Amino acid sequence: GNSVTQMEGPVTLSEEAFLTINCTYTATGYPSLFWYVQYPGEGLQLLLKATKADDKGSNKGFEATYRKETTSFHLEKGSVQVSDSAVYFCALTNSGYSTLTFGKGTMLLVSP
Amino acid sequence: GAGVSQSPSNKVTEKGKDVELRCDPISGHTALYWYRQSLGQGLEFLIYFQGNSAPDKSGLPSDRFSAERTGGSVSTLTIQRTQQEDSAVYLCASSETLNTEAFFGQGTRLTVV
Repeated sequence: GNSVTQMEGPVTLSEEAFLTINCTYTATGYPSLFWYVQYPGEGLQLLLKATKADDKGSNKGFEATYRKETTSFHLEKGSVQVSDSAVYFCALTNSGYSTLTFGKGTMLLVSP
Repeated sequence: GAGVSQSPSNKVTEKGKDVELRCDPISGHTALYWYRQSLGQGLEFLIYFQGNSAPDKSGLPSDRFSAERTGGSVSTLTIQRTQQEDSAVYLCASSETLNTEAFFGQGTRLTVV
């Protein structure tokens, strides 16, 4: 079956620091990969996605590259802001499955 | 509508009561999903609909949980005889077709006291 493993949080950074949140997956076939973000008190929002190997998804300064050889989709941002404080979820969907499989989420706390 | 709408946003209920949670998907989206987000448990898939049909109900936690979708649009998740362990945020999402990008509602926070 499908599974997603994320680094446990919380990740605590100072403003303008470099961010990496690790995500690895197990899936059959050729899954599409996603990062979702949940800001405090809000619902899940799609942050970025990649649908095939070597694709890079990017949005709001965040990037993630679909690495099939290492089954990874690590989230990065060069300079985080306080407003990036949120919970980040890595997820996948597979052509043989009809739902998203999520990681457990990683809380990011950015201090001024 | 512009996005997935869920109601109510918050619900407090007494143990043993039944509750209904509503989801209005994005217009034209054929696929609809229900997830549960519990503290420390992450996101748990419950059920999905393709049109009005739910091919796989195995994700529902118990037979107290049921869901329906009518007219290929609005969906209702019903929890009968609520228990304290049902307390969670229930999230609904919709997508244009199965396995395409899913858009989430803001969720219903259910508290069973």
